[in-house]
Amino acid sequence: GQNIDQPTEMTATEGAIVQINCTYQTSGFNGLFWYQQHAGEAPTFLSYNVLDGLEEKGRFSSFLSRSKGYSYLLLKELQMKDSASYLCAPLDSNYQLIWGAGTKLIIKP
Amino acid sequence: DVKVTQSSRYLVKRTGEKVFLECVQDMDHENMFWYRQDPGLGLRLIYFSYDVKMKEKGDIPEGYSVSREKKERFSLILESASTNQTSMYLCASSLWGTSNTGELFFGEGSRLTVL
Repeated sequence: GQNIDQPTEMTATEGAIVQINCTYQTSGFNGLFWYQQHAGEAPTFLSYNVLDGLEEKGRFSSFLSRSKGYSYLLLKELQMKDSASYLCAPLDSNYQLIWGAGTKLIIKP
Repeated sequence: DVKVTQSSRYLVKRTGEKVFLECVQDMDHENMFWYRQDPGLGLRLIYFSYDVKMKEKGDIPEGYSVSREKKERFSLILESASTNQTSMYLCASSLWGTSNTGELFFGEGSRLTVL
């Protein structure tokens, strides 16, 4: 079966760094997306990885290891506005997104 | 900017009522999707469409139908609403299949409560 595993909730301090992990098992693989979702709002695109390695985009970076079925999202210089849920979503062999339940990130001053 | 607009942010309906959720996108995207989102669960795909008058079942199509008569509009229909369809419904569109990464653009969501 297809499965996504990410922590339910994490807490971090403003200004710090946090890493949100995601492990996945899918039928085939065509890349992995990370989305951010603030409470009561729609998800918005953060990153897409299809090759192994780290992709950096400002304060956010995303890493992929296809052989390990593993990805992480790294957030640096945390700001209060980063309090949100972070959704990991790999693409399966049919190019369908398989969504994790998301990690709720709480930022404390 | 891509804009995906859902007709209603909040709806309250009674069991057995027919419910229409409308979604319009303004960027000429081929692909449109309807998801539902419930606490503690990932987004679950109800139906999707790759072209006008075309529809494909997602993971949880039971109790739902869809209509795509025009490229920009994708409607979700609950023929006879039930309490277990109380949820947040999210519409999305994408340009998958071009040089784009295929990222989804979501509407603001429609929170449906069935009493």
